[in-house]
Amino acid sequence: QVHLQEAGPGLVKPSETLSLTCLVSGGSIKNFFWNWIRQSPGKGLEWIGYIYSSGAAQYNPSLRSRVTMLVDTSKNQVSLRLTSVTAADTAMYYCARHGSRIYYFDYWGQGTLVTVSS
Amino acid sequence: QSALTQPRSVSGPPGQSVTMSCIGTSDNVGGYNYVSWYQQHPGRVPRLLIYDVNKRPSGVPDRFSGSKSGNTASLTISGLQPEDEADYYCCSFAGSYISVFGGGTKVTVL
Repeated sequence: QVHLQEAGPGLVKPSETLSLTCLVSGGSIKNFFWNWIRQSPGKGLEWIGYIYSSGAAQYNPSLRSRVTMLVDTSKNQVSLRLTSVTAADTAMYYCARHGSRIYYFDYWGQGTLVTVSS
Repeated sequence: QSALTQPRSVSGPPGQSVTMSCIGTSDNVGGYNYVSWYQQHPGRVPRLLIYDVNKRPSGVPDRFSGSKSGNTASLTISGLQPEDEADYYCCSFAGSYISVFGGGTKVTVL
């Protein structure tokens, strides 16, 4: 059974950089798309972007200037960096997987809550 | 502002059928048969209900069904159950494996 586990600091100061990792266990990271999705408190889901196991990435145009995703196949993990954060970036951040020619998220992590506050 | 438009809420008594819409454009919902729906109970991780417009993963009750016409996708719950009270999100492929979500619909079982 594939398991995704997000990790990172729960509190980030405004203007700083949010950094999260998603560790994948129970399966290979290769040949899959690894997505980051967030949900602000009381709000809906927002797709942040994906990184493919090859390192190719696509980001939500609204966040593109601040987002970087990386993949480390040796550690079976992916990472998310979001720069210049504000209170609007306070959210639960999920890691989710989909496969090639598969257009839905079949595995999700439990999520990690990040609060942006001084 | 979400890319896909969903009604904020729908409701009905147990046993009734409810349908919620998900309105997109030809760049997403209308252009691809890759609409998925997720159910989310408070404090829980979203759960896949429907994929590729109208397919159900194993374990999802058959009272959940999906359809699409033009730029609008729909999710129907036939015979509401108390445990169906949750938020429901549509999601569409929008080319190059980009995904867009709707704002979510809260289902209340009266």
